[in-house]
Amino acid sequence: EIVLTQSPGTLSLSPGERATLSCRASQSVSNTYLAWYQQKPGQAPRLLIYGASSRAIGIPDRFSGSGSGTDFTLTISRLEPEDFAVYYCQQHNTSPSFGGGTTVENK
Amino acid sequence: QVQLVQSGAEVKKPGASVTVSCKASGYTFTSYGISWVRQAPGQGLEWMGWISPHNGNTNYAQKVQGRVTITTDTSTSTAYMELRSLRYDDTAVYYCARGGLGWYFDVWGRGTLVTVSS
Repeated sequence: EIVLTQSPGTLSLSPGERATLSCRASQSVSNTYLAWYQQKPGQAPRLLIYGASSRAIGIPDRFSGSGSGTDFTLTISRLEPEDFAVYYCQQHNTSPSFGGGTTVENK
Repeated sequence: QVQLVQSGAEVKKPGASVTVSCKASGYTFTSYGISWVRQAPGQGLEWMGWISPHNGNTNYAQKVQGRVTITTDTSTSTAYMELRSLRYDDTAVYYCARGGLGWYFDVWGRGTLVTVSS
């Protein structure tokens, strides 16, 4: 089983600031199978990024994904009020797994 | 539009079974897999299993293997997740999602709260 470790656990930032979220895998993950999701309280997760760097339909371009192998990054270039949420990385190959999540909170 | 509509909240006693349904619409049901993901209160996301509606193939997470069965009814475009021998720590919101095993989860149901309580 591939274990995904996200850091930091919580990111305290202000609107307009840049957010950098990390996801490290216990073994190499093909870019094809790395995705990022956003979840707000009381809502289902929403797909943000697939294939490590492709934005899902309707996702604004302030969200970007990068990385390869065991290290992946989600960057939010300028935080908007609606971006404060929990973010999960996921590998969806043979036995999908999620990281523990990073909470982006309004400072 | 593409959507997954889940059944309503359930309250079950320890040792009982629960079945949650997930009705798909807006796309060809047999063209995409369906996964089930759960989230305990205040916790992260846990993948439970996957089914291919095309051929009925399944794959389950080791943690719930033996207690979970995922099935589909292609005539109604509905997926089902049965969890048996319920324990208190099975209390969670259960989501169905389109995708799994090589495909990202691009459409999610709203979730079904299952509470295990005596």
